[in-house]
Amino acid sequence: GDQVEQSPSALSLHEGTSSALRCNFTTTTRSVQWFRQNSRGSLINLFYLASGTKENGRLKSAFDSKELYSTLHIRDAQLEDSGTYFCAAGDYGGSGNKLIFGTGTLLSVKP
Amino acid sequence: EAAVTQSPRSKVAVTGGKVTLSCHQTNNHDYMYWYRQDTGHGLRLIHYSYVADSTEKGDIPDGYKASRPSQENFSLILELASLSQTAVYFCASGQGAETLYFGSGTRLTVL
Repeated sequence: GDQVEQSPSALSLHEGTSSALRCNFTTTTRSVQWFRQNSRGSLINLFYLASGTKENGRLKSAFDSKELYSTLHIRDAQLEDSGTYFCAAGDYGGSGNKLIFGTGTLLSVKP
Repeated sequence: EAAVTQSPRSKVAVTGGKVTLSCHQTNNHDYMYWYRQDTGHGLRLIHYSYVADSTEKGDIPDGYKASRPSQENFSLILELASLSQTAVYFCASGQGAETLYFGSGTRLTVL
């Protein structure tokens, strides 16, 4: 089936540095959500976007439905940002009201 | 704060046995979902529902049944559990493909 590809699969950052995660879609998607899964396994929703950009503290996300990608920027990374980040596409390829998840990016923030 | 409660938190089942995972939401959301996550992988959709007494197949429905007796409750049923169904199962609720809220997960081990 259609895939949601995330890159990189793993990322190591030092505290205070910044980086970006990317989610590529192979077909049209109406919306994108970003989640962080912490060490306990809990999934925390970070952003929902139907278009444009959103910002929350040190996190900023963008969604380009025409170019079929979304990004999540992490600024001034902190230890608590460590975890696995997932993007999920809504109405992926016209599939309706379900989310298709990407494969995740494992982020490790080190002192 | 949105609330999705899963039970049990963990379960050990025997091959061929019946397993029922339960999910309860207090968000007044129409949509509920069951996902499974295998170690080191993303989430894959098993079943979902957008109204009581109706369920829809997701991407990997084989070996699973679902039941939505009310807006608040959504169960996942494994009639004949198999080794390959060892995984962490997540329930979620939402309004269409908009912001999704996840439960804490159920860790199922089939022996």
